[in-house]
Amino acid sequence: QKEVEQNSGPLSVPEGAIASLNCTYSDRVSQSFFWYRQYSGKSPELIMSIYSNGDKEDGRFTAQLNKASQYVSLLIRDSQPSDSATYLCAVGSGTYKYIFGTGTRLKVLA
Amino acid sequence: NAGVTQTPKFRILKIGQSMTLQCAQDMNHNYMYWYRQDPGMGLKLIYYSVGAGITDKGEVPNGYNVSRSTTEDFPLRLELAAPSQTSVYFCASSMRQGVNYGYTFGSGTRLTVV
Repeated sequence: QKEVEQNSGPLSVPEGAIASLNCTYSDRVSQSFFWYRQYSGKSPELIMSIYSNGDKEDGRFTAQLNKASQYVSLLIRDSQPSDSATYLCAVGSGTYKYIFGTGTRLKVLA
Repeated sequence: NAGVTQTPKFRILKIGQSMTLQCAQDMNHNYMYWYRQDPGMGLKLIYYSVGAGITDKGEVPNGYNVSRSTTEDFPLRLELAAPSQTSVYFCASSMRQGVNYGYTFGSGTRLTVV
Protein backbone atom coordinates (compact mmCIF):
# COMPACT_ATOMS: atom_id res chain seq x y z
CA GLN A 1 0.00 0.00 0.00
CA LYS A 2 1.57 3.26 -1.11
CA GLU A 3 1.35 5.84 1.64
CA VAL A 4 1.88 9.51 2.25
CA GLU A 5 2.20 10.51 5.89
CA GLN A 6 1.87 13.86 7.58
CA ASN A 7 1.64 14.94 11.20
CA SER A 8 -1.97 16.02 11.73
CA GLY A 9 -1.01 18.86 14.07
CA PRO A 10 -2.11 21.40 14.91
CA LEU A 11 1.19 23.11 14.36
CA SER A 12 1.07 26.46 16.12
CA VAL A 13 3.55 29.20 15.24
CA PRO A 14 3.62 32.90 16.15
CA GLU A 15 3.02 35.50 13.48
CA GLY A 16 6.22 36.29 11.59
CA ALA A 17 7.87 32.94 12.35
CA ILE A 18 8.79 30.17 9.92
CA ALA A 19 6.34 27.29 9.71
CA SER A 20 7.83 23.94 8.71
CA LEU A 21 5.52 21.23 7.41
CA ASN A 22 6.77 17.73 6.64
CA CYS A 23 5.62 14.79 4.57
CA THR A 24 7.07 11.31 4.00
CA TYR A 25 6.12 8.89 1.25
CA SER A 26 6.62 5.19 0.70
CA ASP A 27 6.78 4.79 -3.09
CA ARG A 28 10.42 5.19 -4.12
CA VAL A 29 9.59 5.74 -7.79
CA SER A 30 7.35 8.79 -7.14
CA GLN A 31 8.31 11.65 -9.43
CA SER A 32 5.95 14.53 -8.70
CA PHE A 33 5.15 16.22 -5.42
CA PHE A 34 2.62 18.89 -4.52
CA TRP A 35 1.48 21.00 -1.62
CA TYR A 36 -2.13 22.12 -1.37
CA ARG A 37 -3.65 24.57 1.07
CA GLN A 38 -7.18 23.95 2.27
CA TYR A 39 -9.09 26.49 4.32
CA SER A 40 -11.85 25.16 6.53
CA GLY A 41 -14.94 24.36 4.48
CA LYS A 42 -13.18 25.08 1.19
CA SER A 43 -11.56 23.03 -1.55
CA PRO A 44 -7.80 22.38 -1.78
CA GLU A 45 -5.75 24.94 -3.66
CA LEU A 46 -2.39 24.12 -5.28
CA ILE A 47 0.41 26.27 -3.87
CA MET A 48 3.66 24.47 -4.74
CA SER A 49 4.96 21.67 -6.93
CA ILE A 50 8.43 20.12 -7.02
CA TYR A 51 10.08 17.14 -8.67
CA SER A 52 13.86 17.65 -8.36
CA ASN A 53 15.91 17.20 -5.23
CA GLY A 54 16.61 20.47 -3.47
CA ASP A 55 14.65 23.62 -2.83
CA LYS A 56 12.07 25.49 -4.88
CA GLU A 57 11.04 28.96 -3.75
CA ASP A 58 7.91 30.92 -4.60
CA GLY A 59 7.41 34.07 -2.58
CA ARG A 60 7.15 33.17 1.10
CA PHE A 61 6.90 29.46 0.30
CA THR A 62 9.79 27.02 -0.14
CA ALA A 63 9.31 23.37 -1.04
CA GLN A 64 12.15 20.98 -0.25
CA LEU A 65 12.54 17.50 -1.72
CA ASN A 66 14.87 14.71 -0.65
CA LYS A 67 14.19 11.58 -2.71
CA ALA A 68 16.86 9.50 -0.98
CA SER A 69 15.13 10.02 2.37
CA GLN A 70 11.66 10.06 0.80
CA TYR A 71 10.46 13.27 2.32
CA VAL A 72 9.16 16.57 1.10
CA SER A 73 8.67 19.65 3.20
CA LEU A 74 7.08 23.08 2.95
CA LEU A 75 8.50 26.14 4.66
CA ILE A 76 6.36 29.24 5.09
CA ARG A 77 8.39 32.32 5.97
CA ASP A 78 6.95 35.33 7.79
CA SER A 79 3.82 33.34 8.66
CA GLN A 80 0.59 35.31 8.72
CA PRO A 81 -2.74 34.52 10.40
CA SER A 82 -4.14 34.14 6.87
CA ASP A 83 -1.83 31.13 6.42
CA SER A 84 -3.85 29.25 9.03
CA ALA A 85 -5.22 26.28 7.12
CA THR A 86 -4.69 22.58 6.54
CA TYR A 87 -1.79 21.77 4.23
CA LEU A 88 -2.05 18.61 2.14
CA CYS A 89 0.92 16.82 0.65
CA ALA A 90 0.27 14.90 -2.58
CA VAL A 91 2.63 12.46 -4.29
CA GLY A 92 2.40 11.21 -7.84
CA SER A 93 1.53 7.52 -7.86
CA GLY A 94 1.80 5.63 -11.10
CA THR A 95 0.90 7.37 -14.33
CA TYR A 96 -2.38 9.07 -13.67
CA LYS A 97 -3.07 9.82 -10.06
CA TYR A 98 -1.80 11.13 -6.76
CA ILE A 99 -1.94 9.94 -3.20
CA PHE A 100 -2.78 12.57 -0.63
CA GLY A 101 -1.64 12.75 2.95
CA THR A 102 -4.22 13.47 5.64
CA GLY A 103 -2.92 17.00 6.06
CA THR A 104 -1.29 19.13 8.74
CA ARG A 105 -3.35 21.83 10.39
CA LEU A 106 -1.39 25.06 10.79
CA LYS A 107 -2.38 27.79 13.23
CA VAL A 108 -0.58 31.11 13.03
CA LEU A 109 -1.05 33.04 16.26
CA ALA A 110 -1.37 36.83 16.02
CA ASN B 1 -12.99 31.12 -16.92
CA ALA B 2 -15.11 29.04 -14.51
CA GLY B 3 -12.55 26.26 -13.88
CA VAL B 4 -14.19 23.20 -12.29
CA THR B 5 -17.87 23.54 -11.46
CA GLN B 6 -19.66 21.14 -9.13
CA THR B 7 -23.36 20.93 -8.45
CA PRO B 8 -25.12 20.74 -6.09
CA LYS B 9 -23.18 22.30 -3.21
CA PHE B 10 -25.25 20.59 -0.54
CA ARG B 11 -27.60 17.63 -0.57
CA ILE B 12 -29.42 15.49 1.95
CA LEU B 13 -30.41 12.00 0.78
CA LYS B 14 -32.43 9.33 2.44
CA ILE B 15 -31.00 5.83 2.69
CA GLY B 16 -31.60 3.96 -0.55
CA GLN B 17 -32.07 7.02 -2.73
CA SER B 18 -29.87 7.72 -5.73
CA MET B 19 -28.38 10.89 -7.11
CA THR B 20 -25.82 12.23 -9.56
CA LEU B 21 -23.14 14.70 -8.60
CA GLN B 22 -22.30 16.89 -11.54
CA CYS B 23 -18.81 18.07 -12.48
CA ALA B 24 -17.83 20.18 -15.46
CA GLN B 25 -14.56 21.84 -16.44
CA ASP B 26 -13.87 24.37 -19.15
CA MET B 27 -10.07 24.12 -19.27
CA ASN B 28 -9.92 21.32 -21.85
CA HIS B 29 -8.25 19.06 -19.28
CA ASN B 30 -7.97 15.42 -20.16
CA TYR B 31 -7.67 14.06 -16.63
CA MET B 32 -10.57 14.22 -14.20
CA TYR B 33 -10.99 12.77 -10.73
CA TRP B 34 -13.54 12.24 -8.02
CA TYR B 35 -12.41 12.28 -4.39
CA ARG B 36 -14.24 12.04 -1.12
CA GLN B 37 -12.95 13.69 2.02
CA ASP B 38 -13.96 12.50 5.45
CA PRO B 39 -12.88 14.37 8.60
CA GLY B 40 -9.30 13.47 9.52
CA MET B 41 -9.09 10.90 6.74
CA GLY B 42 -7.67 12.88 3.85
CA LEU B 43 -8.74 12.63 0.24
CA LYS B 44 -9.64 9.21 -1.11
CA LEU B 45 -9.84 8.60 -4.86
CA ILE B 46 -13.17 7.16 -6.01
CA TYR B 47 -12.85 7.13 -9.81
CA TYR B 48 -10.74 8.85 -12.40
CA SER B 49 -10.72 9.37 -16.15
CA VAL B 50 -7.86 10.03 -18.53
CA GLY B 51 -10.11 11.12 -21.38
CA ALA B 52 -13.56 10.87 -22.89
CA GLY B 53 -14.77 7.28 -22.82
CA ILE B 54 -12.04 6.08 -20.43
CA THR B 55 -12.65 5.63 -16.72
CA ASP B 56 -11.06 3.55 -13.99
CA LYS B 57 -11.56 2.74 -10.33
CA GLY B 58 -9.68 4.41 -7.55
CA GLU B 59 -9.27 3.36 -3.92
CA VAL B 60 -12.93 3.44 -2.83
CA PRO B 61 -15.22 2.84 -5.85
CA ASN B 62 -17.89 0.66 -4.22
CA GLY B 63 -21.34 2.23 -4.33
CA TYR B 64 -20.41 4.69 -7.08
CA ASN B 65 -20.40 4.82 -10.86
CA VAL B 66 -19.05 7.29 -13.38
CA SER B 67 -19.19 8.05 -17.06
CA ARG B 68 -17.18 10.36 -19.30
CA SER B 69 -18.95 10.99 -22.57
CA THR B 70 -17.29 14.38 -23.18
CA THR B 71 -14.01 16.01 -22.21
CA GLU B 72 -15.87 18.59 -20.15
CA ASP B 73 -18.19 16.48 -17.99
CA PHE B 74 -17.53 13.76 -15.42
CA PRO B 75 -20.67 12.96 -13.37
CA LEU B 76 -20.57 10.69 -10.31
CA ARG B 77 -23.57 8.48 -9.69
CA LEU B 78 -24.53 7.22 -6.23
CA GLU B 79 -26.86 4.24 -6.26
CA LEU B 80 -28.71 3.15 -3.11
CA ALA B 81 -27.22 5.76 -0.81
CA ALA B 82 -25.87 4.57 2.54
CA PRO B 83 -24.87 6.54 5.66
CA SER B 84 -21.23 5.58 4.94
CA GLN B 85 -21.42 7.80 1.86
CA THR B 86 -21.91 10.90 3.98
CA SER B 87 -18.88 12.96 3.01
CA VAL B 88 -17.61 15.95 1.08
CA TYR B 89 -17.05 15.12 -2.58
CA PHE B 90 -14.51 16.94 -4.69
CA CYS B 91 -14.10 16.79 -8.42
CA ALA B 92 -10.70 17.76 -9.82
CA SER B 93 -9.05 18.05 -13.19
CA SER B 94 -5.54 18.36 -14.59
CA MET B 95 -3.92 18.77 -17.97
CA ARG B 96 -1.75 15.72 -17.26
CA GLN B 97 0.28 14.41 -14.38
CA GLY B 98 3.62 16.06 -13.84
CA VAL B 99 5.50 18.74 -11.98
CA ASN B 100 3.51 21.69 -13.30
CA TYR B 101 0.20 19.93 -13.61
CA GLY B 102 -1.39 19.78 -10.21
CA TYR B 103 -5.11 19.55 -9.76
CA THR B 104 -7.73 22.22 -10.03
CA PHE B 105 -10.50 21.36 -7.60
CA GLY B 106 -14.16 22.19 -7.70
CA SER B 107 -15.81 23.78 -4.68
CA GLY B 108 -17.18 20.45 -3.45
CA THR B 109 -20.52 18.83 -2.70
CA ARG B 110 -21.41 18.19 0.92
CA LEU B 111 -23.62 15.10 1.03
CA THR B 112 -25.48 13.79 4.05
CA VAL B 113 -27.27 10.43 3.95
CA VAL B 114 -29.90 9.97 6.67
